Amino acid sequence: AQTVTQSQPEMSVQEAETVTLSCTYDTSESDYYLFWYKQPPSRQMILVIRQEAYKQQNATENRFSVNFQKAAKSFSLKISDSQLGDAAMYFCAYREPGAGSYQLTFGKGTKLSVIP
Amino acid sequence: DTEVTQTPKHLVMGMTNKKSLKCEQHMGHRAMYWYKQKAKKPPELMFVYSYEKLSINESVPSRFSPECPNSSLLNLHLHALQPEDSALYLCASSPGGALQETQYFGPGTRLLVL
Repeated sequence: AQTVTQSQPEMSVQEAETVTLSCTYDTSESDYYLFWYKQPPSRQMILVIRQEAYKQQNATENRFSVNFQKAAKSFSLKISDSQLGDAAMYFCAYREPGAGSYQLTFGKGTKLSVIP
Repeated sequence: DTEVTQTPKHLVMGMTNKKSLKCEQHMGHRAMYWYKQKAKKPPELMFVYSYEKLSINESVPSRFSPECPNSSLLNLHLHALQPEDSALYLCASSPGGALQETQYFGPGTRLLVL
């Protein structure tokens, strides 16, 4: 079974600084998808960024970027120029491709605090 | 537009009550999901509907009854719940049938069972 591990239960960052959240996963598949979701206190799970395993290029969305190391099965999220609105729980998630494969495997989450 | 809406936002019910949660999306997505999330935990998958047919039921107790009246609407009927069922219930949708199955979540319904 696939597992996703987020080893940092809590992290903090100074406003305007950069922070990296770590995620590792275990799979025997060669093709899959990885996601970072953000869940602020308002509760809604918001997609931050998505990475396809067959793509070597790291995904980037504005201030958010990933460091995807397929051989090491590592998928870290870097947040640059941190803002107060980035404070949230961040979940790393894994999904296998193919129609009919609906299961998202989540990590336990990392709670990020942003210090003004 | 990647909006999934859920009503109500909050719900308090007794163990003998019957209530329903509603989820709606107008993105043309063909897969819809119910998740249960306890505090400080990741979401747990409950049900998946694909093209309006129940595809996955993750051994959820029968006091939870899902319904998909059409491709845009998903309901979760609740009956005789227990206090341990108190949680955040999240709905999600995804395009369905494509390889890149990104799930988009609604804001959730906070349920308290007394």
